[in-house]
Amino acid sequence: GAVVSQHPSRVICKSGTSVKIECRSLDFQATTMFWYRQFPKQSLMLMATSNEGSKATYEQGVEKDKFLINHASLTLSTLTVTSAHPEDSSFYICSARGMDREFLEYFGPGTRLTVL
Amino acid sequence: GQNIDQPTEMTATEGAIVQINCTYQTSGFNGLFWYQQHAGEAPTFLSYNVLDGLEEKGRFSSFLSRSKGYSYLLLKELQMKDSASYLCAVSNSNYQLIWGAGTKLIIKP
Repeated sequence: GAVVSQHPSRVICKSGTSVKIECRSLDFQATTMFWYRQFPKQSLMLMATSNEGSKATYEQGVEKDKFLINHASLTLSTLTVTSAHPEDSSFYICSARGMDREFLEYFGPGTRLTVL
Repeated sequence: GQNIDQPTEMTATEGAIVQINCTYQTSGFNGLFWYQQHAGEAPTFLSYNVLDGLEEKGRFSSFLSRSKGYSYLLLKELQMKDSASYLCAVSNSNYQLIWGAGTKLIIKP
């Protein structure tokens, strides 16, 4: 149980385009979902926290107009990187918390974004 | 400020035991997590400590001392597949995870 999926697993796009990443909790309802970014050889950096039906809370330094987060249901959250640039190339990982073990985050497999 | 400290890299021999330390300073404490992350993959959950003491789970054990702001992850009977980064994370008073930079563990035959 407690499986989180992400799609796509890998995406290559041209500079200036927008990319949407989906995060789904497959067998539980996620009250809260988190979006992280990880650059090579660095730790996870929290970008934003989203609760179903409400606006996401962004961490300091993360542009909310550039990284659009939609948490439309208890099983789906999306991150859209708008007007992507090469410096946005990174490993994006989502995680989700369920109602039964609220202290535990279950991670998706991650999405490798490369912006040319 | 809030910070998590753990060694950047450690090397150990297959079959041996290794201890990865983590010290933390956070605004509040709601538990400490250890995650394993292989290169290019997302983290996978290893252990959770919220009370002082040792939690054992197979070859892996995790220890916590809240008064010292200290934890360690103990890996026994090391296998080559244990080569990975090990991330220490603390849940603060807002239930937000504060992450360490990770310890890269290299296992040699």
